[in-house]
Parts: sequence; C-alpha cells; structure tokens
Amino acid sequence: GENVEQHPSTLSVQEGDSAVIKCTYSDSASNYFPWYKQELGKGPQLIIDIRSNVGEKKDQRIAVTLNKTAKHFSLHITETQPEDSAVYFCAASIGGGGADGLTFGKGTHLIIQP
Amino acid sequence: KAGVTQTPRYLIKTRGQQVTLSCSPISGHRSVSWYQQTPGQGLQFLFEYFSETQRNKGNFPGRFSGRQFSNSRSEMNVSTLELGDSALYLCASSLDTNSYNEQFFGPGTRLTVL
Repeated sequence: GENVEQHPSTLSVQEGDSAVIKCTYSDSASNYFPWYKQELGKGPQLIIDIRSNVGEKKDQRIAVTLNKTAKHFSLHITETQPEDSAVYFCAASIGGGGADGLTFGKGTHLIIQP
Repeated sequence: KAGVTQTPRYLIKTRGQQVTLSCSPISGHRSVSWYQQTPGQGLQFLFEYFSETQRNKGNFPGRFSGRQFSNSRSEMNVSTLELGDSALYLCASSLDTNSYNEQFFGPGTRLTVL
C-alpha cells in the first residue's frame, strides 16, 4: 500500500519568514495530494490540494509543488504569522480520498516564533 | 452550513467493553470516512461508507466496524476494547467518492480506554 513520509517533524521559524514542509510517497498511482492543518482540539482542515496533472498551485501565502517523477511534494508558507502555528499533515490518495482513503504523513509541528 | 458533528466528544471506557461513536456529515454529503489518530501511528484510515455501503476498509481488526444510515449519518463500533484503542477518532464527509471532493473533518471523539 501507499506510504507517505513527512519531514521535518518539528519546524520553528521566525514570524515573517518562510516555512517549507516536504513529503514523499511510494505509490506511483497516487494522484491527489492534499495538505491539512490541525489546531489543538480540532479536526484537520484542508488548506490546499494538488492533483497529479498540475506541478504547482498557489493560494495567497500558501503554495504546493509536486514532482511526480521523484514522488515528492512540498508545502510552502510565506510571510508566516502566529496563527500559522499548528500541526500540518500531507496526504496522498488515488482519486479524491473518499473510497480509497487518505494516507497521511506523520505531521509537522510548525512553531512561529514572535 | 453546519459542519461535521461527532458525538460524544469525550469517552472513557474500560478494557473489554464496547463503544459506539456517531458522526453526522455535512448536509448533502453522502460519503463518510473514519480515521484513527494516535501519537505513534498518526492518522490511519479505518473505513469509508457511501450510500449505506462500505466501499473500503483499512488495515484494522474486525473489532472495528461501522455502518451508515439512509440519512448519511454514520456510526462506528469498537468491540472488546483494548488499551491500544485509546485515540482520537475522526470522521470526514465529502460530496462524492468518484471525484476530487474536499473531505471535511469533524472535531473527533477522544476515546480513553482504562
């Protein structure tokens, strides 16, 4: 089955700096790669996703890049703010992740230092 | 529009007991997925239901089961509880399993097994 590796497990950055979280996947059939943000006491919330026919997607301060050949994808957050502090999860699936389920990375605890 | 709701939010049980967790998806969503979240294993896919049918199941023992009702509400049951079943159980709903629909997660049910 699919295996998703996520690095780093903890990332501390100064407010205003950029943060990059990287993930690799094993199943070349995976074609949907969402990123989730989880705050304390809450369920994961989708922040951005990318499909395999796209190499990069951007939404304001957040961008995701995908390299299908190397089977890795990354989350980039620019101009970080205190409210960006949370745990971030990458995931992969074949299709939209409904029937096939999402395979998650182990998460990155992002800490924004004031 | 109301989000995904899960009840109860917190539950304490003892080993050997059984437990039933409930999930109400977003109105109009027909797909409901369940995930187990633990510090050691992260987020793991349990199963997915669509139109009252289980479409897929993750790698969990038969003690974990679920069902979906005609109004798309779903329940999951864990029988003969073990200490290792202590976890946050998350439910996610989406519109359709056959397209790249965003999965919306509920806040989870925190199960503690003593």
